[in-house]
Amino acid sequence: AQSVTQLDSHVSVSEGTPVLLRCNYSSSYSPSLFWYVQHPNKGLQLLLKYTSAATLVKGINGFEAEFKKSETSFHLTKPSAHMSDAAEYFCVVSESPGRRALTFGSGTRLQVQP
Amino acid sequence: DTEVTQTPKHLVMGMTNKKSLKCEQHMGHRAMYWYKQKAKKPPELMFVYSYEKLSINESVPSRFSPECPNSSLLNLHLHALQPEDSALYLCASSRGGLAGNTDTQYFGPGTRLTVL
Repeated sequence: AQSVTQLDSHVSVSEGTPVLLRCNYSSSYSPSLFWYVQHPNKGLQLLLKYTSAATLVKGINGFEAEFKKSETSFHLTKPSAHMSDAAEYFCVVSESPGRRALTFGSGTRLQVQP
Repeated sequence: DTEVTQTPKHLVMGMTNKKSLKCEQHMGHRAMYWYKQKAKKPPELMFVYSYEKLSINESVPSRFSPECPNSSLLNLHLHALQPEDSALYLCASSRGGLAGNTDTQYFGPGTRLTVL
């Protein structure tokens, strides 16, 4: 079975400082991993995805994530936070091949202080 | 264009009403999904359609009835809902095909449903 653990329910940073949102996963297969962002009262937007190619994945808006198989981690980072980054972030793992469902982490709320 | 549209944006209904949510995509995707999201929680999968056929039903109560009339359109028919069904209902689509677990799901903006 697949599972995802987001280690922080809430992260607060100052504008211009680095962002780190932590995610650990478990998977019986070679996983596909995703980070989605959800702004208040909006749908989910894909930030980036890992599908067994390069382990360092670059996404939109300056975000990137590194897949570390030995640590079963897929942490999301950004060098410099912007006020518009304040949102809910979900780490997501795909289900086993042939089953097109996603397993979501519980989410991390990112707050950016001016 | 990676847009999934959903109508209506907001819906208020009584427990005896019948209403429908609509989702549309024109990306040629062959897999479509309904999710339910309660406040401060991640989305929960309800249904998956693959090539217009229902492939996954996550034990959803029968008061929710999905329909996929064609490859671009997905409906969710609602009848005799309960107040606890109030939530954000999200539609998503993905390319489909054999490499299902690598597909990106593209989400619509959701319908905010309130059941009185």
